Order: sequence, then structure tokens, then C-alpha cells
Amino acid sequence: DGGITQSPKYLFRKEGQNVTLSCEQNLNHDAMYWYRQDPGQGLRLIYYSQIVNDFQKGDIAEGYSVSREKKESFPLTVTSAQKNPTAFYLCASSIGPRGLYEQYFGPGTRLTVT
Amino acid sequence: DQQVKQNSPSLSVQEGRISILNCDYTNSMFDYFLWYKKYPAEGPTFLISISSIKDKNEDGRFTVFLNKSAKHLSLHIVPSQPGDSAVYFCAASGLSGGSNYKLTFGKGTLLTVNP
Repeated sequence: DGGITQSPKYLFRKEGQNVTLSCEQNLNHDAMYWYRQDPGQGLRLIYYSQIVNDFQKGDIAEGYSVSREKKESFPLTVTSAQKNPTAFYLCASSIGPRGLYEQYFGPGTRLTVT
Repeated sequence: DQQVKQNSPSLSVQEGRISILNCDYTNSMFDYFLWYKKYPAEGPTFLISISSIKDKNEDGRFTVFLNKSAKHLSLHIVPSQPGDSAVYFCAASGLSGGSNYKLTFGKGTLLTVNP
């Protein structure tokens, strides 16, 4: 089955620790995205990547980092510099520059930092 | 500055009736609009979309209407079913910053369909 997987579903970390969230897709999509969702808020874009070895900051990139070494994978690192890391993190992908705007989402990772 | 606005945080309707979810946008460069449905603790699921060259798109029980002059779109669900209860997000895309497939999301509307 084609789709997007995110692991783990729940993640707990102590303040001051970096943590990496996994996102893998087997849809052969060029573009991948990371969003965070907070209660009562829409989805806010953290980083996106249009193609392998390239990525751009979204609207709220501070305190986050990404890499795109493989087409299938777009891991997100939440660093200790992120002031409010507790949130629901969503990864998405889309066909990309070839057209179509629809993004397909993974199941999400809920990160809790205490 | 919120470019995509869903002014109703919640909506409650009876099973079998029509649900109308509304969305307004401010950026005139947006030319493609999407609706997503989201259950708690899950990722959003794409529902239906519309290009700015159209004013209506229909898919089964779901119809999206676009009024470009008013910068307004709406999602109609007829008939509403209890399984439609979820948060609905409006999203928009367009020629912004060279990345014409970035999506800007509204804050969502929680739809509750009562049996």
C-alpha cells in the first residue's frame, strides 16, 4: 500500500533534548512538508522540500531542522532552541513541481516535552 | 495576518440535513482551494478541491462553491451523516514565493452531525 508513515505516534522528551521525528513516503512524490498543529490552530508550515537535497523554511522554522537525502525520507529535528515544542506534528507529501496541489498526510506524531 | 479564515469554530447539524462550512481568503493570488477532513489524533484527509477557473465542483455528497469576487468558498455536505463529524480545514494555494504548491490553511471548523 502506498502512503506516508510517521513514527512514533507518541513521543516524550525532556526539555533541552533534541528529538528527531521520522517521515517516510512510498508515493514517489517529489515534495514533502512538515506542519505543526496546536489546539484551536490550523496547520502551520515548518519546512518543505521540493526535491531531494533541497529544502526551504516555512512560516515557523525557528528551532527546527530538516534533511532530504533521499526522496522517500524527510526527518524533522526539534532542537532545544524551539521554545514551545509540545505539539502534534504532521508530515505530508505531494507530487510537486509536476503539478497538482493536493497534499497527502501521514498519521502524525504527538510530541510532549516536559 | 491570516490569509485563510474559517470564522466558525464549530457547527452542529442534524443527520440528513445540509452542512455548510464557510471559508474566506484575502490573498488574490490564490488560485486553487482544497478542503480537508481531520479526525482527532490523525492526519488530515483530502476531500475535494476547486480551481479558480471554476465556481463549483461536486463529488458525491460534497460540493464546493467558489465566489472569486467575494473571495469566499463553501463546502456543502448533503445529506450529512454522523461519520462526517470531524474538523474541516480549508486550504489555498497560488503563485506565492515561487512555490506554487504551498498550502495555507485556515484554523478549521468542527462539524458535529447529530443522529
